[in-house]
Amino acid sequence: DIQLTQSPSFLSASVGDRVTITCRASQGISSYLAWYQLKPGKVPKLLIYAASTLQSGVPSRFSGSGSGTEFTLTITSLQPEDFATYYCQEHNRYPPFTFGGGTKVEIK
Amino acid sequence: QVTLKESGPVLVKPTETLTLTCTVSGFSVTNVRMGISWIRQPPGKALEWLAHMFSNDAKSYSTSLKDRVTISKDTSKSQVVLTMTDMDPIDTATYFCARVDFGGTVDLWGQGALVTVSS
Repeated sequence: DIQLTQSPSFLSASVGDRVTITCRASQGISSYLAWYQLKPGKVPKLLIYAASTLQSGVPSRFSGSGSGTEFTLTITSLQPEDFATYYCQEHNRYPPFTFGGGTKVEIK
Repeated sequence: QVTLKESGPVLVKPTETLTLTCTVSGFSVTNVRMGISWIRQPPGKALEWLAHMFSNDAKSYSTSLKDRVTISKDTSKSQVVLTMTDMDPIDTATYFCARVDFGGTVDLWGQGALVTVSS
């Protein structure tokens, strides 16, 4: 099975900061990578799929890039509502559905 | 409105069987372009996929949990049910049901159900 490694696992940032999260796959997955946002008590949200396609309704400050084994999620100008935990997921060959270990973004 | 909602016990005892129900609205569980998965998140830990029900009733399970987990569907009630046997405190988690689109992404999540395993 494919393994996804996210880094960092935790980051502290301020409102207005640019934030980048990396997801590395143990083998090439073309562009079949999605990103999700999870907040306690809230319904999780799909942000990006196919590595760089923004899900409808997601603010344009979120962007994704990469292909093969290395991917990034970038949040330009971090907003208060963006403090959350972010997960990557490989969506090429499924099941199984594989998620990364998560990156928690907290307020500095 | 398109939603999924999990329901079931908040607390189960060790060795008991957990049954969780996912009730969907606004779409059909037989839609050929979608499937339903169960995913969990233990406190402070990462997401873990448990089981998947395809629209054609085919099923798939996590290798590590396949001996304990069963997924089933009641089309007449628009429900997908997860059963997990021999519950242990390490199974304490928020359990999500989730709609998986044809491309393999989870395009819709339930709000999650926190299940605590404790005597």
